[in-house]
Amino acid sequence: DAGVTQSPTHLIKTRGQHVTLRCSPISGHKSVSWYQQVLGQGPQFIFQYYEKEERGRGNFPDRFSARQFPNYSSELNVNALLLGDSALYLCASSLDGTSNGEQYFGPGTRLTVT
Amino acid sequence: GQQLNQSPQSMFIQEGEDVSMNCTSSSIFNTWLWYKQDPGEGPVLLIALYKAGELTSNGRLTAQFGITRKDSFLNISASIPSDVGIYFCAGQLAGSARQLTFGSGTQLTVLP
Repeated sequence: DAGVTQSPTHLIKTRGQHVTLRCSPISGHKSVSWYQQVLGQGPQFIFQYYEKEERGRGNFPDRFSARQFPNYSSELNVNALLLGDSALYLCASSLDGTSNGEQYFGPGTRLTVT
Repeated sequence: GQQLNQSPQSMFIQEGEDVSMNCTSSSIFNTWLWYKQDPGEGPVLLIALYKAGELTSNGRLTAQFGITRKDSFLNISASIPSDVGIYFCAGQLAGSARQLTFGSGTQLTVLP
């Protein structure tokens, strides 16, 4: 079975632009979470979605938004890009919305803002 | 910001040696997870722990959920070159919306 897939792999944007990142969870998984990983640090939680509803939001500005589709895939949108948004954006998939924290990560999208 | 203190920050060991790293927090966690991340890739789940005091093994890896629920450690026995990478602890806070809080990582280098 395929693992978590993310697209695109790499992306270069200019300050002020917006970006859309995509994620498909493991087959049968209904929950998707998004994390931002800045170089040299651990991933930071952005959002979690389960059954198309937002179940958690990290300490990120309103420029960051996300949604989950009926097929459980997800998009992360970032508006008005800043240089500091340059990072590896990771999508994680989990089975359901229970308290089990087990999450499986995709390869990430490397975003560079110039 | 980060709520987990992971140590050591980096380690240089000889092939065949055992390795130990740990994470501590001032907060109580319901779940502890250990991940390994290679350059340019996403973190790969190694071990998941769900109960205080739980000791779980995965091959040469052993991890424990601290009794106080505020710490965890990971041991790697008989290290091999492919163990090189960054190891992260991650925890799910009690009462959180299932989000994971990550440590800052331990960079492991295995010398031949």
